[in-house]
Amino acid sequence: QVQLVESGGGVVQPGRSLRLSCAASGFIFSSDGMHWVRQAPGKGLEWVAFTSYDGSNENYVDSVKGRFTISRDNSKNTLYLQMNSLRIEDTALYFCAKGRGEYDRYEMDAWGKGTTVTVSS
Amino acid sequence: QSALTQSASVSGSPGQSITISCTGTSNDIGNYDLVSWYQHHPPGAPKLIIYRVTNRPSGVSNRFSGSKSGNTASLTISGLQAEDEANYYCASYTSINTLVFGGGTKLTVL
Repeated sequence: QVQLVESGGGVVQPGRSLRLSCAASGFIFSSDGMHWVRQAPGKGLEWVAFTSYDGSNENYVDSVKGRFTISRDNSKNTLYLQMNSLRIEDTALYFCAKGRGEYDRYEMDAWGKGTTVTVSS
Repeated sequence: QSALTQSASVSGSPGQSITISCTGTSNDIGNYDLVSWYQHHPPGAPKLIIYRVTNRPSGVSNRFSGSKSGNTASLTISGLQAEDEANYYCASYTSINTLVFGGGTKLTVL
């Protein structure tokens, strides 16, 4: 079955960088768009970024534009989120999620359990 | 892009029906039939339960149903069960090519 396992979270100071990874299995990774979604402590879900199946198209929420970059390596079945210039408000549990078929840009049919990023001085 | 508006909490007794509403604008819910709903039992992974307003993924109980009118989407859960107690989030595609979630609704089964 579909498995998504995030890693790379940790504690980092404001202004520093971190790269998250999401290892995918159980489906044809190179066929589906992928998302990052985050949940700040005590808050709801917030969509962060999307990449198309081949990495040619990316979209971001305004609050991370210019700081975060979503990418993928289809040869390794892995999704990434490069996070630069981190801010305290980026503290959250980060989920990787698989887009659903031809509507992969609009809905997510499988999720990982997340990796925690804490930005603190 | 502001979050979609959901009530913070809702409750119901086993066997009853409840409805969770999700209000957006003409830039998201009102202009696209691309509303989805997710069930989240923390600390687990969220689960897609409704896509494209009214559709259920394979394996999701038919006790879950979705609808939309204007700028507001709704999720109805009928025949409430204890296992339905969870957080529920709506999401919509937007006119600026992003996705936006609702703030989430905590369902308590009494």
